[in-house]
Amino acid sequence: KAGVTQTPRYLIKTRGQQVTLSCSPISGHRSVSWYQQTPGQGLQFLFEYFSETQRNKGNFPGRFSGRQFSNSRSEMNVSTLELGDSALYLCASSLGPLELAGELFFGEGSRLTVL
Amino acid sequence: GESVGLHLPTLSVQEGDNSIINCAYSNSASDYFIWYKQESGKGPQFIIDIRSNMDKRQGQRVTVLLNKTVKHLSLQIAATQPGDSAVYFCAEIRYSTLTFGKGTMLLVSP
Repeated sequence: KAGVTQTPRYLIKTRGQQVTLSCSPISGHRSVSWYQQTPGQGLQFLFEYFSETQRNKGNFPGRFSGRQFSNSRSEMNVSTLELGDSALYLCASSLGPLELAGELFFGEGSRLTVL
Repeated sequence: GESVGLHLPTLSVQEGDNSIINCAYSNSASDYFIWYKQESGKGPQFIIDIRSNMDKRQGQRVTVLLNKTVKHLSLQIAATQPGDSAVYFCAEIRYSTLTFGKGTMLLVSP
């Protein structure tokens, strides 16, 4: 079966712009969680959506937001981009909510560069 | 602050050796731990997990050990192969969030 698909894979934006990233989970998976990966901070949890509801959010400013649709596909949005937002953004899907998940499946990420 | 950390940033081994990657955690309330492998240009890949009510779990060539007394987690890879070269992350799930350690790069020489 198809894995987790993230689009776009690469994108370049300038400071002040906003960006929307998309994640299509594995068919049947209802949980989608998002992560930011940078060389300095490593992998950091952004938020998790399960059945269209945000269940938890990491320590990120309100410029970072997301949503989940009825088909479990998820989008995350970053507004008013800053240079420090340059990172690899990863999403992962699982059948159930994060604390019950036996295995998370990650996509290959969307690499965002902010100039 | 960071509640999951790794002792060594880089581990170099010879092909065929056994590898041990360590991880310390600080929150005794964590109830679920996971090891991930990330190869260059790819997303993390699940290796093995362990619940806090266990102290050992084995998979194919991998074993995870959990020592709750000293809050220590380790990943043992038997007969390490060049294909095992990657960055390995431990992670803990607590309060519906997933917290990752900084990662250890495993380099396997033929």
